[in-house]
Amino acid sequence: QVHLVQSGAEVKKPGASVKVSCKASGYTFISYGITWVRQAPGQGLESMGWISVYNGHTNYAQKFQGRVIMTTDTTTSTAYMELTSLRSDDSAVFYCARGTSSKRGYYFDLWGQGTLVTVSS
Amino acid sequence: QSVLTQPPSVSGAPGQRVTISCTGSSSNIGAGFDVHWYQLLPGTAPKLLIFGNDNRPSGVPDRFSGSKSDITASLAITGLQAEDEADYYCQSYDSSLSGYVFGPGTTVTVL
Repeated sequence: QVHLVQSGAEVKKPGASVKVSCKASGYTFISYGITWVRQAPGQGLESMGWISVYNGHTNYAQKFQGRVIMTTDTTTSTAYMELTSLRSDDSAVFYCARGTSSKRGYYFDLWGQGTLVTVSS
Repeated sequence: QSVLTQPPSVSGAPGQRVTISCTGSSSNIGAGFDVHWYQLLPGTAPKLLIFGNDNRPSGVPDRFSGSKSDITASLAITGLQAEDEADYYCQSYDSSLSGYVFGPGTTVTVL
């Protein structure tokens, strides 16, 4: 079975960093991209960016540029998302998802279970 | 503020048909980029409902269908059921932002 399993909930202080992991299983990790999506409490889905597992190329949403770092480890089939300089309004559930190409674009057909990050002093 | 626009909410009685629109612009839907739809049930991860404008993944009931024309895509739910109460999001690519974008989401209520 194909799965994306994310790391557990985190509580961080303002100004700190958080690194969330996303371990893939059941498919060829290098054949797909990984996107990270944030959902703040009561809010909608917000794209944070994308990483090509094949070549490591990243594309970050403008809002997060300079604060987010997406990486992958192909030896363990794990993707990582690090968000720095945390603020209270960064508190959210963070999802990783597998990207599959359509005729014109990508869709996200496999999702992790989500990781709750709480930023509080 | 998203570059894709969705109605905040739609509602219908069991068995009825409801549609959710997703309106974009010439830099996303109007540029020919595909639209995809996701369902979010409370406390669960998003689930892919429609990909490539009008394709259903295996396991998704044929009550769900998608379409696209010009700068607008639509998700239709026919034979509405109580279990369809959820938030629905459209997603596409925007060339001006050089990234993937989601609509603001639509809450479907079964009366």
